[in-house]
Amino acid sequence: NAGVTQTPKFQVLKTGQSMTLQCAQDMNHEYMSWYRQDPGMGLRLIHYSVGAGITDQGEVPNGYNVSRSTTEDFPLRLLSAAPSQTSVYFCASSPDGNYGYTFGSGTRLTVV
Amino acid sequence: GQQVMQIPQYQHVQEGEDFTTYCNSSTTLSNIQWYKQRPGGHPVFLIQLVKSGEVKKQKRLTFQFGEAKKNSSLHITATQTTDVGTYFCAGHGGSNYKLTFGKGTLLTVNP
Repeated sequence: NAGVTQTPKFQVLKTGQSMTLQCAQDMNHEYMSWYRQDPGMGLRLIHYSVGAGITDQGEVPNGYNVSRSTTEDFPLRLLSAAPSQTSVYFCASSPDGNYGYTFGSGTRLTVV
Repeated sequence: GQQVMQIPQYQHVQEGEDFTTYCNSSTTLSNIQWYKQRPGGHPVFLIQLVKSGEVKKQKRLTFQFGEAKKNSSLHITATQTTDVGTYFCAGHGGSNYKLTFGKGTLLTVNP
């Protein structure tokens, strides 16, 4: 099993550009989520999904969209990138959202 | 909203010394989880505690969940250089689907 796979690993965007961060898991987990990690801020929840077709907002959802068309995939879309979105983004999955999360290796995003 | 606070923010120890990090929640938790993140890496799940007063051990690591289910601690006995990293606690409060992380404790170990 590959676990949770995130692509790309690194990305540089210009302000105003849009892009999609990809996340895929092969563990048949129902729950998937996106976190951002900033120095001194810990991990903050952006969006999460409890199953295909169901998504909800986390702590810091503004500027991001998600969709969950399949159990395996949970892409994160940046609509119009801003320098404040410079961060490391982690995708995580869990069997039911209650037990331990498996994290991907992260995407380091810089917005200039 | 739910807040999870973790102290200390940093801890530097000599190899062989013990280390403890503490986690406190503003609300009662249904469970608490602990993660370790090596420098440049991603968080890795260590353990989950569910019951009031629960204590679990993993080799040199001891995890405790408070009686009121609002606080937790991680104690490492006789630290090694392989213990270096940031240790995060994370808790589920009212919603089982929102896992709130503390800001973590960065442990460095001097060999």
